Amino acid sequence: DTAVSQTPKYLVTQMGNDKSIKCEQNLGHDTMYWYKQDSKKFLKIMFSYNNKELIINETVPNRFSPKSPDKAHLNLHINSLELGDSAVYFCASSHFSMKRINSPLHFGNGTRLTVT
Amino acid sequence: GNSVTQMEGPVTLSEEAFLTINCTYTATGYPSLFWYVQYPGEGLQLLLKATKADDKGSNKGFEATYRKETTSFHLEKGSVQVSDSAVYFCALSDRGSGGYQKVTFGTGTKLQVIP
Repeated sequence: DTAVSQTPKYLVTQMGNDKSIKCEQNLGHDTMYWYKQDSKKFLKIMFSYNNKELIINETVPNRFSPKSPDKAHLNLHINSLELGDSAVYFCASSHFSMKRINSPLHFGNGTRLTVT
Repeated sequence: GNSVTQMEGPVTLSEEAFLTINCTYTATGYPSLFWYVQYPGEGLQLLLKATKADDKGSNKGFEATYRKETTSFHLEKGSVQVSDSAVYFCALSDRGSGGYQKVTFGTGTKLQVIP
């Protein structure tokens, strides 16, 4: 029943390691996003894909590489993890329409990444 | 670029008190406006939205009116409950480069309701 699901829920790793977070949505949406939420709850868009095509790519270090194998999946791979990467990462999805900009985002429950 | 400014929290209220969380925005186009709520350990959920000036969004006793003249979208509830304790995010949606929807979030306001 889960609409947007992320795995894992928690990720603890050491500096320098490489890790991946997976996201899947079963809402039939064609647009998916990665957001980063810091310890003060500030949300920052990282990437967005529409039908497997990258459409938003904010100023994110190139250690972060998203991959969308199909429109229901959006994964995030992070190389050479740093302490500052510790945060909660949220996947979200929405329906895209060229006519409207009022489609709400549907969020997963987040992946808490801790880099030690 | 677009921006959303919310009142700083945390906001602490007694049960049944009146709630207002202020939100103002800056946008070049004609955005849609949203309030999202985040309960502890969960992702954000849509609370309500408004798509044009003077629209009022409402849900679960919460209301917000899209005020174009003051560029505001303040969240209100007449009588809060302990279960309303959460972080509330104001957001706007506009068209980004390439015509795609781009959502900008405020910094969030933590609400704590005490019995």
